Amino acid sequence: GESVGLHLPTLSVQEGDNSIINCAYSNSASDYFIWYKQESGKGPQFIIDIRSNMDKRQGQRVTVLLNKTVKHLSLQIAATQPGDSAVYFCAERWSFDMRFGAGTRLTVKP
Amino acid sequence: DTAVSQTPKYLVTQMGNDKSIKCEQNLGHDTMYWYKQDSKKFLKIMFSYNNKELIINETVPNRFSPKSPDKAHLNLHINSLELGDSAVYFCASSQDSGTAGNQPQHFGDGTRLSIL
Repeated sequence: GESVGLHLPTLSVQEGDNSIINCAYSNSASDYFIWYKQESGKGPQFIIDIRSNMDKRQGQRVTVLLNKTVKHLSLQIAATQPGDSAVYFCAERWSFDMRFGAGTRLTVKP
Repeated sequence: DTAVSQTPKYLVTQMGNDKSIKCEQNLGHDTMYWYKQDSKKFLKIMFSYNNKELIINETVPNRFSPKSPDKAHLNLHINSLELGDSAVYFCASSQDSGTAGNQPQHFGDGTRLSIL
């Protein structure tokens, strides 16, 4: 899902399926992008990052894609597990400033 | 071994009171932040300190005053609390100097502030 309006977008997937969470960022001067996962009652937890000189970066079961032309970021989670259920935020940085997207709630059905 | 710790975890108080939230990081980072997360989960930066100097001060009422006694601590003092201050406040830190460039921020688990 993509962050629009004031409601938290939700994405519901079946366990074992792949998940794609999308994010539109705002500042063309942003040079560093981060995905965070936030579980209930916890602070945001770093998942993966990407710098503006790259368009793809892979981690363990996660891949981030960056399209600077349309200011779009996506997070792909392979073989989604129940423990992946959380709110996911993208964030963009320039200098010391960091701005978060509105977040997407991912629910994994067993 | 907690990297970014905030106290208290919960804070319930009356309108008009003054309160403080403390934050400490043991990661050796040079930059610390305060964020506010509203009921819709929107995270907004409030302040950023680099090496104890204020770098970012968003349009936050001046009832909010951050204080950084050293690089490992960034406390938030709030005067004359209002109902709209009810939210979760997160402290974060990152290492931003050096040749590695920007690094991800590490967050505490938040302080849930409720104003009665």
